[in-house]
Amino acid sequence: TQLLEQSPQFLSIQEGENLTVYCNSSSVFSSLQWYRQEPGEGPVLLVTVVTGGEVKKLKRLTFQFGDARKDSSLHITAAQPGDTGLYLCAGSKAGGTSYGKLTFGQGTILTVHP
Amino acid sequence: NAGVTQTPKFRVLKTGQSMTLLCAQDMNHEYMYWYRQDPGMGLRLIHYSVGEGTTAKGEVPDGYNVSRLKKQNFLLGLESAAPSQTSVYFCASSYRKTTYEQYFGPGTRLTVT
Repeated sequence: TQLLEQSPQFLSIQEGENLTVYCNSSSVFSSLQWYRQEPGEGPVLLVTVVTGGEVKKLKRLTFQFGDARKDSSLHITAAQPGDTGLYLCAGSKAGGTSYGKLTFGQGTILTVHP
Repeated sequence: NAGVTQTPKFRVLKTGQSMTLLCAQDMNHEYMYWYRQDPGMGLRLIHYSVGEGTTAKGEVPDGYNVSRLKKQNFLLGLESAAPSQTSVYFCASSYRKTTYEQYFGPGTRLTVT
């Protein structure tokens, strides 16, 4: 069962375009994280959002946590070839069987063409 | 700090052979994880540990065993490798007790023929 659904699965755009990646669930999460992974390397944490409605910016990247803490989005303004990679969302839940671990979405492969 | 390191980086096994993947972290993190990554499947949790001497099953534990005898090391064993275990394996560690933000190693690419 995939608890976190990412869309789109693939995104191919030209340099300078804007894009949004979505991460949706029917479950409530304590926090949502976004990671970026480049070919041949491990994922690297970009941001963590913990409060419903929270918005965080990282240069040209804007991350938002849904009010109900069931979804998140990543918006990139004026994409550059260096943004190319696999973007993963991951959620944490407090306690119970989810203690100590994250749930990952299946990822969005972004390709930005010069 | 080296962060999270994994040994080896690449390995080819024949069906039925065994091997151990080693993960080491120098950040004094409590939590450690083993994932496998296959095309179109994202990251799937194999086993994890919330402290030295403890281990727990993740989403896809069958065919794997783990040990966490020292806080800084987390070993993943394949007792009898199968072609279905061909994958890229990532180790991660975390110090955050509520958000579990993770630091990943560079991965081990395993091929089972």
